[in-house]
Amino acid sequence: QLQLQESGPGQLKPSETLSLTCTVSGGSISSRNYCWGWIRQPPGKGPEWIGSICNSGSTYNNPSLKSRVTMSVDTSKNQFSLKLTSVTAEDAAVYYCAKVCSNGRCCDFWGQGTLVTVSS
Amino acid sequence: QSALTQPASMSGSPGQSITISCTGTNSDVGAYNYVSWYQRHPGKAPKLMIYDVSDRPSGVSNRFSGSKSGNTASLTISGLQAEDEADYYCSSYTSSSTWVFGGGTRLTVL
Repeated sequence: QLQLQESGPGQLKPSETLSLTCTVSGGSISSRNYCWGWIRQPPGKGPEWIGSICNSGSTYNNPSLKSRVTMSVDTSKNQFSLKLTSVTAEDAAVYYCAKVCSNGRCCDFWGQGTLVTVSS
Repeated sequence: QSALTQPASMSGSPGQSITISCTGTNSDVGAYNYVSWYQRHPGKAPKLMIYDVSDRPSGVSNRFSGSKSGNTASLTISGLQAEDEADYYCSSYTSSSTWVFGGGTRLTVL
């Protein structure tokens, strides 16, 4: 059973870059052509899909965030990462990492989420 | 405002059945059979309960079922149990090749 755990700084200042890492355990991140995703949930709102990256290197991004988002996979560490540049207060949220279902249309394993706040 | 509309809260007594609705548009829910439902208990990782409208992942109780009619998808929980008390979120693939989520429904088991 795969387990995912997000890590990264919980507090940022406006204009800084958010960097989060998701560590995968219980299986190899490079198994098959898995895809890995990031989802965030602002306080009091529903979740928002940020994007996903596949072991093939393909990436899929939310157009509303595309220019600020970079995702990568580090198979040597069994991790994948998210960078979001130029954060503002609107980027404050609980950030989740997840494994995308094999059909590409859902997420079948999730991390517990990590809270990111943005304040000067 | 979330892209998909869910009731903010629902409640039911043990043993009852409840149905949570998820309304989208003909660009998401109505366009594809790619609706999924997630359960989230406080402080825990979300859990996939239903995918592709009505399929259950291995290990998910058959008390959980999904359906869709037009632009509205539904999650039905039969034989409510105390452990079902949680937040539930729907999600759908969209014609823009993105995913959208609902605002979530807090289910209380009375």
